[in-house]
Amino acid sequence: KNEVEQSPQNLTAQEGEFITINCSYSVGISALHWLQQHPGGGIVSLFMLSSGKKKHGRLIATINIQEKHSSLHITASHPRDSAVYICAVEGAGSYQLTFGKGTKLSVIP
Amino acid sequence: SAVISQKPSRDICQRGTSLTIQCQVDSQVTMMFWYRQQPGQSLTLIATANQGSEATYESGFVIDKFPISRPNLTFSTLTVSNMSPEDSSIYLCSVSQGRETQYFGPGTRLLVL
Repeated sequence: KNEVEQSPQNLTAQEGEFITINCSYSVGISALHWLQQHPGGGIVSLFMLSSGKKKHGRLIATINIQEKHSSLHITASHPRDSAVYICAVEGAGSYQLTFGKGTKLSVIP
Repeated sequence: SAVISQKPSRDICQRGTSLTIQCQVDSQVTMMFWYRQQPGQSLTLIATANQGSEATYESGFVIDKFPISRPNLTFSTLTVSNMSPEDSSIYLCSVSQGRETQYFGPGTRLLVL
């Protein structure tokens, strides 16, 4: 069973700061997802990665398959980025996800 | 992409009762999943809802407690039976189409008194 660890658990940043959230996993995967969970519980899929780097607006996600590690970066953070960010991994040959516990981000104006 | 709706969005229920959560997708999808997120915990897969056959449950989850229906490729229900306060969670439906990313519903927030 894959163990997914995220750090930090909680993060408070000033508006405009560059933010990094880390995710490591223990067993090889076919893909890694970064998800954003809003206070009401709804989840939005931000990225799905199997290698390299992806960018969408102010969000950048990278993955290092050899090191079993991924990072989510937010540039020029804004209060509306405040949410829980969850890393999830997809095992080889399966669509089922194993989730990290999430990183709660608060961006202060 | 897929747009998913869930009903109800939230509910408060009495111990011993049952609640059925509906998940509707705006397109036909192969895989539908039900997750639970207990307070302060990560999401846990309850089961995979298979169209035309019984759901596949993960360890720790049983059909008697969480019966699931999947009558067609756009709809599924999850019932939380004989509820106790420990069932208070957010329940999420998600779908996957082939190798595309997974899409999640808005969640159903359940409080059991």
